[in-house]
Amino acid sequence: GENVEQHPSTLSVQEGDSAVIKCTYSDSASNYFPWYKQELGKRPQLIIDIRSNVGEKKDQRIAVTLNKTAKHFSLHITETQPEDSAVYFCAASIPGAQKLVFGQGTRLTINP
Amino acid sequence: SQTIHQWPATLVQPVGSPLSLECTVEGTSNPNLYWYRQAAGRGLQLLFYSVGIGQISSEVPQNLSASRPQDRQFILSSKKLLLSDSGFYLCAWSVLAPTGELFFGEGSRLTVL
Repeated sequence: GENVEQHPSTLSVQEGDSAVIKCTYSDSASNYFPWYKQELGKRPQLIIDIRSNVGEKKDQRIAVTLNKTAKHFSLHITETQPEDSAVYFCAASIPGAQKLVFGQGTRLTINP
Repeated sequence: SQTIHQWPATLVQPVGSPLSLECTVEGTSNPNLYWYRQAAGRGLQLLFYSVGIGQISSEVPQNLSASRPQDRQFILSSKKLLLSDSGFYLCAWSVLAPTGELFFGEGSRLTVL
């Protein structure tokens, strides 16, 4: 079945710098790749997603890139701010099933 | 607008006791419903999902079970809790799965002693 690996597990960056989180997936038929943000003590919420017919998508300071050949996708956060501190999860759709497989999460800390 | 309610928010239970966590969704019909578990410092593990009343798919062999007695109600149960059942349980719904947004409940923190 589908397997999603996420790296790094923890990431610490200075405020204003960029942060990059990477995920790889195993099933080449997966076609939907969302990213969720979970602030401390709160529920995960969708922040951006990308479909397999697109290579890159951007929404203000966040962007996601997808390399279907290599089966990996990445989240890019530019000009990081303290409110970006959270756990970020990537996920991949399961072909033919009504579910997602999530990565293990990345704890991002923005240092002032 | 759609909302999701999950309760109880926190629960402390002794080993061997039963469990019942409940989740209801409002403002939508025939949603796909999901139970995830988040162990401390780990990712989101899918436990069960349901695409309709009475239809339950189990993802991980364990002593937990799920039921969907009504269209917008999803229940997670156990007859006898284990220490390893401790964690943060999240209910979620979606209407365009798997390529639509997942909306999570606020979670239930279970501690088994």
